[in-house]
Amino acid sequence: GDSVTQMEGPVTLSEEACLTINCTYTATGYPSLFWYVQYPGEGLQLLLKATKADDKGSNKGFEATYRKETTSFHLEKGSVQVSDSAVYFCALKVGGGSNYKLTFGKGTLLTVNP
Amino acid sequence: GAVVSQHPSRVICKSGTSVKIECRSLDFQATTMFWYRQFPKQSLMLMATSNEGSKATYEQGVEKDKFLINHASLTLSTLTVTSAHPEDSSFYICSASTGRNTEAFFGQGTRLTVV
Repeated sequence: GDSVTQMEGPVTLSEEACLTINCTYTATGYPSLFWYVQYPGEGLQLLLKATKADDKGSNKGFEATYRKETTSFHLEKGSVQVSDSAVYFCALKVGGGSNYKLTFGKGTLLTVNP
Repeated sequence: GAVVSQHPSRVICKSGTSVKIECRSLDFQATTMFWYRQFPKQSLMLMATSNEGSKATYEQGVEKDKFLINHASLTLSTLTVTSAHPEDSSFYICSASTGRNTEAFFGQGTRLTVV
């Protein structure tokens, strides 16, 4: 079945450090890939997405490139801020249709210290 | 962006009682709602998908008689955990979409503790 594997946390960085959170997937068909972020006490929010191979999703300084050859969708940011502290989830969706059904990774807790 | 409100955010109940969790879409009509369960350090596991006005579709291994889902209107879905036991303690999250192939918006989750 479909699955998402993302790097285990927690990840602790100093402000302005570089961030990479690894995400790999297995899927039947051609998935769309997503990164969600969950700030403390809030629901999940869509951070970025890519719908086909070689697409790059970007938002708020975060980027991830859909790599079909390595089945990966690593999340990167060049300079993190304290406000980026949150849990990050990689997710995929296969196929179309009317239902938006997502398969999630376990989540990676990021803490950024001043 | 669209807002999904989940209530309560935390609940503690006694073993054997039932607990209802509400999920509301505040500024859009949610044709489809999803219920997830998250164990500590685990993925969000989809429990069921509900379409307004019809019976929910449960994922394999999820007891439909234990986790009752009602989606009676385009803005409200409820999850009732019946005869709760300590092993039902978990973080429950809902999400909602317009039902077309569009983004799903998430509630803030409900922490259920059964004592």
